[in-house]
This record gives sequence, structure tokens and C-alpha cells, in this order.
Amino acid sequence: ELKVEQNPLFLSMQEGKNYTIYCNYSTTSDRLYWYRQDPGKSLESLFVLLSNGAVKQEGRLMASLDTKARLSTLHITAAVHDLSATYFCADKTQGGSEKLVFGKGTKLTVNP
Amino acid sequence: KAGVTQTPRYLIKTRGQQVTLSCSPISGHRSVSWYQQTPGQGLQFLFEYFSETQRNKGNFPGRFSGRQFSNSRSEMNVSTLELGDSALYLCASSLRTGDTEAFFGQGTRLTVV
Repeated sequence: ELKVEQNPLFLSMQEGKNYTIYCNYSTTSDRLYWYRQDPGKSLESLFVLLSNGAVKQEGRLMASLDTKARLSTLHITAAVHDLSATYFCADKTQGGSEKLVFGKGTKLTVNP
Repeated sequence: KAGVTQTPRYLIKTRGQQVTLSCSPISGHRSVSWYQQTPGQGLQFLFEYFSETQRNKGNFPGRFSGRQFSNSRSEMNVSTLELGDSALYLCASSLRTGDTEAFFGQGTRLTVV
């Protein structure tokens, strides 16, 4: 059964600092998705990583995928308060299905 | 371009009742998936529909059912509601199945009392 584990689950950091969220998954999948969720809101798609070595960047966030290590990372550079949210990584089962298996999420709080 | 639309946004129901939630995908998207989000269990997959056919089903009791119409709109139904069904129900829309990006609606917050 596909499993996705994120760590840390809670992250409190100061503005201007850097940090990385880790996402381990259990299958040989070569696709990984990152989402952001603000309190009481829906999921916003951040990154879609579809091959080994994929790296994508948007503003202060950068995501990468290492399929050999079954690891994806979401790196935050010079955090700002607006990045405070819960971040989820998700893997997709193979076979053409759209089923996403999510990690438990990392609740990020950026303090001034 | 309109996003994924879920209705209603909020619902309060009594134990034992049934409820129907609706999801209209992004125009042109043919795949619709449903997820339940709770503080304890996180985000869990309910089912997936493509071209009116259920392609995949999560590990939920038979009280949870769904369907998709020819215009790709989807509904999910929960019968004999239990307190534990209180959750945020999210619908995701994809262009097709496979390596595609899923876009989520705003969700329906269901409270069972």
C-alpha cells in the first residue's frame, strides 16, 4: 500500500530563515505533488514533479524529486509571514489512476 | 477560466439523515475525484470518476457513494450519517487520468449533529 510520510509535521520559523520539508514515499512512483492549504480553505497546487531529478521553483519555494531515494523536498528560502500555511505532499498511484495519497501535512508558521 | 465549484459550501445534518454534495469540474476536465479531510485522519481518497465510470474507490463504507454525469459533474451521497462523517469534503478535477495536475474545489464543510 502506498504510504507518504512528511516531516516535520510542525515547523515554526523566523522570517528570513531557510528550511526544508521532507516527503518520503513508499512506491517506485516517479511523480510527486505539493499542495498548500490555508486555514479553512481548499488545496492550492504548488508543484507537479514528474521525473527523477525534477526541480521546480516558484518565488521562495523550491521543490525537488529523487525517485531513487523516494524522497521529495520543499525548500523555503528567506521565509516571509505569507508562507504560513499547511503544506502537503502527495503521491499518485500508478496505472493511470487519479488517486492521490497525501502525507499528514506540515504546518508552517513564520514568525516576524 | 472558472475553477472547480462545489455546492453547498456548508451543511449541518442530523445523525441518520442523508446528504448529497455536488461538484462541477473545470470545463473540459473529465476526471473527478473526491476526498475527505478530517483532523484525525487527514486527507483520504473516497472515489474517482472518469467519463461517468467509477475507476477507483477508497476504503470507505458503502454508505458513501457517488456518480458522474455526462457533463462531468459529479455528486457524492452519504446515507445514514454518523457523527464521524463530519469533515471537509473536497472535490478534485483533472483533465484526464494519469500524469495530470489535480485542481481542488473550495470544499463542502459537513457537520453532523
